[in-house]
Parts: sequence; structure tokens; C-alpha cells
Amino acid sequence: EPEVTQTPSHQVTQMGQEVILRCVPISNHLYFYWYRQILGQKVEFLVSFYNNEISEKSEIFDDQFSVERPDGSNFTLKIRSTKLEDSAMYFCASSEEGDSNSPLHFGNGTRLTVT
Amino acid sequence: LAKTTQPISMDSYEGQEVNITCSHNNIATNDYITWYQQFPSQGPRFIIQGYKTKVTNEVASLFIPADRKSSTLSLPRVSLSDTAVYYCLVEGYSTLTFGKGTMLLVSP
Repeated sequence: EPEVTQTPSHQVTQMGQEVILRCVPISNHLYFYWYRQILGQKVEFLVSFYNNEISEKSEIFDDQFSVERPDGSNFTLKIRSTKLEDSAMYFCASSEEGDSNSPLHFGNGTRLTVT
Repeated sequence: LAKTTQPISMDSYEGQEVNITCSHNNIATNDYITWYQQFPSQGPRFIIQGYKTKVTNEVASLFIPADRKSSTLSLPRVSLSDTAVYYCLVEGYSTLTFGKGTMLLVSP
């Protein structure tokens, strides 16, 4: 079964540094997402992406965040200047369509630790 | 106001059938009901989705009454590996809003 893959599985960085989290969505999917989950808390929506542009973003997704689809397979999340509170699991997801009867397929996440 | 309400936790034993009910009184006409499963340190995994009546796949069944104000996820003959958090989501589009889910603990 095709799956969403994320790299790295664990990233440790110092406060103020830039990080790039990488994702390879399922190949025939058109919609891409980033979610995050702080330890012990809910899974939170960050951003959705379609046709090479952001289609929706949450208030968490402020100016320090950006997303990009640099080529035909990768989808990246960049955090420009990391803060301690950015420590979380970051999940990438993709779906065939953008409506609710097209379920999301999630990767296994990147654990980001900011020290 | 939460879109869905489900029990915080449930306990079961191996081999039993588990039913997790979710309330969604304000479901909209174009909303689908979707259930996800999440193991620790893993991403949510799609289990099943339905709009009305009953849906069954190789993993679970989903029962939705005519008024669609609730739904029940049924897991037949659970095993230890079914211990996880189960989320019920009601959405009209693909951006998902996760609640706290139901923590299912399966014991030997």
C-alpha cells in the first residue's frame, strides 16, 4: 500500500536555527497538509496546499513557517527561527481530493526537539 | 463548541467486540464521518468513513443512524495491538479538526 514518508524521523536543533522537514506524499494525491502534535496534546492543523499554493492555514502557521513543493515529489515545511515551543511531532498528510470524502493519509512524523 | 463528543477512555479484553460511540449533534448535510486510529509516536491512520447507514471494511464497521447525530465504530474481536487512540471527525472538507479522541486499552 502506498504511504506518505517523512524525513528525518527525529531532528534536534538549537533555538533560533532554521529547520526543514521533508515529506514525500502519495504519488497520485493532489492535496498536501502539515499537522503538528505537541506531546500529550491534540493533533493540530497547520496548513493545506494545493496546486502549488497554500489553500488554508491556521493561526499557528505564522510568518516563521513556510511550505514548498520544490519538485514533483517532495513537500517541505520550513521553520525559519525555531523556538522552544516548536518542539512537537510534525505530521505530513496527503489526500486525493480536497473534500471530506477523501480521507487523509498521514506519515509517521518528524519529532522536532528545540533546545 | 466541539463538533464531536466521544468517551475519553475505554477498556476491553482481547477477543471482545468494542463499540465506540461519537455524538455529533450539529452535523451538516455535506459532512462525512471519519474515524482515525493513532498509536504513540505515529501519525493518525484512516480506519473507516461513512455518510449514512452502515459501512464495513476489513478492519471495522461504522453504524450511522438515520438522523446522523451520532455514529458507532465497531471493532470486532480486538487484540492487544488495537490499543490506541481513536478519533471521530466530522468534516465538510478535508482539513481535519482533531479532538482528544478515545483511548482504548485492550488487556489480555
